[in-house]
Amino acid sequence: AQTVTQSQPEMSVQEAETVTLSCTYDTSESNYYLFWYKQPPSRQMILVIRQEAYKQQNATENRFSVNFQKAAKSFSLKISDSQLGDTAMYFCAFMGLSGGGADGLTFGKGTHLIIQP
Amino acid sequence: NAGVMQNPRHLVRRRGQEARLRCSPMKGHSHVYWYRQLPEEGLKFMVYLQKENIIDESGMPKERFSAEFPKEGPSILRIQQVVRGDSAAYFCASSPGRATYEQYFGPGTRLTVT
Repeated sequence: AQTVTQSQPEMSVQEAETVTLSCTYDTSESNYYLFWYKQPPSRQMILVIRQEAYKQQNATENRFSVNFQKAAKSFSLKISDSQLGDTAMYFCAFMGLSGGGADGLTFGKGTHLIIQP
Repeated sequence: NAGVMQNPRHLVRRRGQEARLRCSPMKGHSHVYWYRQLPEEGLKFMVYLQKENIIDESGMPKERFSAEFPKEGPSILRIQQVVRGDSAAYFCASSPGRATYEQYFGPGTRLTVT
């Protein structure tokens, strides 16, 4: 079984600053995906960014980028030029592909990110 | 194209009653996942269904919980004889198929057991 650990329960930064959320995971699988999801107060789960484990290049989506270190099993999320609307819970998630297809997601406990004006 | 729909959005049940949560996947999606989010926790995988077939129920509690995804109609998560510990937000997600990694989430159903 895999585990996902987010060691920062809460973080607070000023608007326009850069913030990095950490995530580590443990798995014996070689083929998998990693995700960051955002959950604002509306509770809707919104996909922020994804990373395929076989790709060495770090994924980027506008102001969001990841630092994927496969050997260290680390998958951090960097948010540049943070905005008030980035205030939310952020969840790191793992998806194994061992069964020949996509499995259920394993989530970390989340980091509550607060962007201060 | 409508997103994943869940109803009801809020459900209140007394201890011992049954709760039925519905999930209509996105059009063209034949795979549904159910997750439970307890207060201050991340989402926990419960069950993965394809139409008329349960693919993985390793996260489902052994008693009182069941899920189905019939050929016609929404997927149903059923909780019998609810207890206070069942109070949580229940999310479903859908995908077009097992070879697709992307899961699209619904808005969730908040179940409160009094």
